[in-house]
Amino acid sequence: AQTVTQSQPEMSVQEAETVTLSCTYDTSESDYYLFWYKQPPSRQMILVIRQEAYKQQNATENRFSVNFQKAAKSFSLKISDSQLGDAAMYFCVLSGAGSYQLTFGKGTKLSVIP
Amino acid sequence: GAGVSQTPSNKVTEKGKYVELRCDPISGHTALYWYRQSLGQGPEFLIYFQGTGAADDSGLPNDRFFAVRPEGSVSTLKIQRTERGDSAVYLCASRLTGRARETQYFGPGTRLLVL
Repeated sequence: AQTVTQSQPEMSVQEAETVTLSCTYDTSESDYYLFWYKQPPSRQMILVIRQEAYKQQNATENRFSVNFQKAAKSFSLKISDSQLGDAAMYFCVLSGAGSYQLTFGKGTKLSVIP
Repeated sequence: GAGVSQTPSNKVTEKGKYVELRCDPISGHTALYWYRQSLGQGPEFLIYFQGTGAADDSGLPNDRFFAVRPEGSVSTLKIQRTERGDSAVYLCASRLTGRARETQYFGPGTRLLVL
């Protein structure tokens, strides 16, 4: 069974500052993928960034980057230069390489303070 | 269309009624997933289609839930004898098979309220 744990139900950040969202996971698979999705109040689930487990290099996507620690099964998201539009629920997500069924954490609600 | 679409956006029904929720995936995406998101929770897997067949339905909570995808494109999630506990947002996602197959693209969801 796969599990994803997000221990921060809520976080806040000042506009233009940096914030890090934490995530740990557990899986018995050797080949898997990790994602961060954001879900604003509109309910639309939007892909923020993805990481292939076999790649040691941390993924980056503009202001978003991850710290992937495979041995510790940790996958944190760093948002730099936070913007008001970053306010949303953020989900850490794990996918095996078979059916690619997604396992979600409970989410972290991020507020951005102007 | 460019993205995954779901209809209706919102559905209110009475306990015991039958409902159908529709998902129209991105054109060319052969894999399709349904998830259920209860209030304050992350989405939970319900069922996965590869083409027309359900490749994995292990997430369906009971036999009141059923889903079809007869032509390998549009899918319908069907809930019989609805219960108040079925109230949730039902999300649909699709993905390619082949290159970049690991990424799922989500629709806006259908919010179901059972009174």
